[in-house]
Amino acid sequence: AQSVTQLDSHVSVSEGTPVLLRCNYSSSYSPSLFWYVQHPNKGLQLLLKYTSAATLVKGINGFEAEFKKSETSFHLTKPSAHMSDAAEYFCVVSEPNTGNQFYFGTGTSLTVIP
Amino acid sequence: DAGITQSPRHKVTETGTPVTLRCHQTENHRYMYWYRQDPGHGLRLIHYSYGVKDTDKGEVSDGYSVSRSKTEDFLLTLESATSSQTSVYFCATSVASGGADQETQYFGPGTRLLVL
Repeated sequence: AQSVTQLDSHVSVSEGTPVLLRCNYSSSYSPSLFWYVQHPNKGLQLLLKYTSAATLVKGINGFEAEFKKSETSFHLTKPSAHMSDAAEYFCVVSEPNTGNQFYFGTGTSLTVIP
Repeated sequence: DAGITQSPRHKVTETGTPVTLRCHQTENHRYMYWYRQDPGHGLRLIHYSYGVKDTDKGEVSDGYSVSRSKTEDFLLTLESATSSQTSVYFCATSVASGGADQETQYFGPGTRLLVL
């Protein structure tokens, strides 16, 4: 069975400092992994996805994530936080042959301090 | 972005009344989903559809039904609304099925439902 654990429900960083949002997954097969961002009162937008190609994935707005199979992790990083990065972030896993079902973590709220 | 709209965007209703939420897409995506979002739970799948008239339950399907008579429309019905169904409801679509490369989900703007 697949599941996702986001290790921090809240992360606070100062503007200009690095961002690290942690995600661990459980999967019986080779999963696809996604990070989505949700700004207040908005829908979800795809940041990046891993689908068995390069393990380091680059997304929009300077975000990156690295797939580490040995650690079952897919942490999201950004070298320098911007005020506009303040949002809720969701890690999502999907497996082949599950009828295109997606499983969401509970989310990490990122606060950026000026 | 995929053209996904949800209606209504906001609704207040009373306990015991039926409520229908509509999701409309213009991208001809095969898969459609209904999620609810609640604090501390992330998004939880209610029902999904893998084609016209083909639907299946998600993890929180009790008290909800769905219908998909056309590719572009996916309706979510709360048969008799309860206060525990107060939530934000998101519709999503995706293209591919199975295989090693799962496709992206595209989300609608959400519907805020308050059940009094």
